Amino acid sequence: KAGVTQTPRYLIKTRGQQVTLSCSPISGHRSVSWYQQTPGQGLQFLFEYFSETQRNKGNFPGRFSGRQFSNSRSEMNVSTLELGDSALYLCASSIDRGATQFFGPGTRLTVL
Amino acid sequence: SQQGEEDPQALSIQEGENATMNCSYKTSINNLQWYRQNSGRGLVHLILIRSNEREKHSGRLRVTLDTSKKSSSLLITASRAADTASYFCATDASGGSYIPTFGRGTSLIVHP
Repeated sequence: KAGVTQTPRYLIKTRGQQVTLSCSPISGHRSVSWYQQTPGQGLQFLFEYFSETQRNKGNFPGRFSGRQFSNSRSEMNVSTLELGDSALYLCASSIDRGATQFFGPGTRLTVL
Repeated sequence: SQQGEEDPQALSIQEGENATMNCSYKTSINNLQWYRQNSGRGLVHLILIRSNEREKHSGRLRVTLDTSKKSSSLLITASRAADTASYFCATDASGGSYIPTFGRGTSLIVHP
C-alpha cells in the first residue's frame, strides 16, 4: 500500500498570504488528522476529519481550516499567514479514531 | 500543557548499548503510542499499547505501561546509529475524543 502523501513538501509564503496544503491518506483510511510541529510548541493537533466531516478540532484560530473530500483526501488552508505559522505541517491517516495513525512526510511552511 | 512528557529530553549513547526513554502522562488513557521522527521528517509509528496491556515487544523494541503510575517506557536494545532520531509518546485520554496528544520528545543520538 502507498503511504500517506503530502504536497507540496516545501512552501515559502509572505505574511498576509494564504496557503493550501494537501494530504492523500492510505487507501481505505477514512480518518485524516492534521498537526502543526514547531520547535517551541512541539506537535499540536489541528483537526481531524472523518467521512468528510470535521470530528475534532484543536485550539487554533479560525484562520486554520480544512476539509475532506469523498475520496478521503484532505486539504488544510491557512489564511492571512503570520510569521508564527512557520512550521512543519503533518498529516496522519488511520482507519478510525483510536487506531494507529500513519504520518506523511510533512509540508515545511516558511512565512517571511 | 502537554499530556505526555518524555524523559530524558536528550540521550547520547554508543552503538550496542540499550536506550531507555520514559513517558509520563496526566489523565487516564485508552492507549499510548510511541513514534520515531528522523530530523524534520514525518513520524513513524513504532508501537501501540492499550491501557489494559502491560508490555509489548516489537523486534528490538520493548514498551511497558504502568497505568497506576501513569507512565510508559520504551527500551531499544542493541542500539544502532540508524536509531538516531527523536522519539515521541502520544496518548489519547479515555472518555474523550481519541485525539492523540504528543509529548515534546526524547532526542536520541547513537554514536557509531
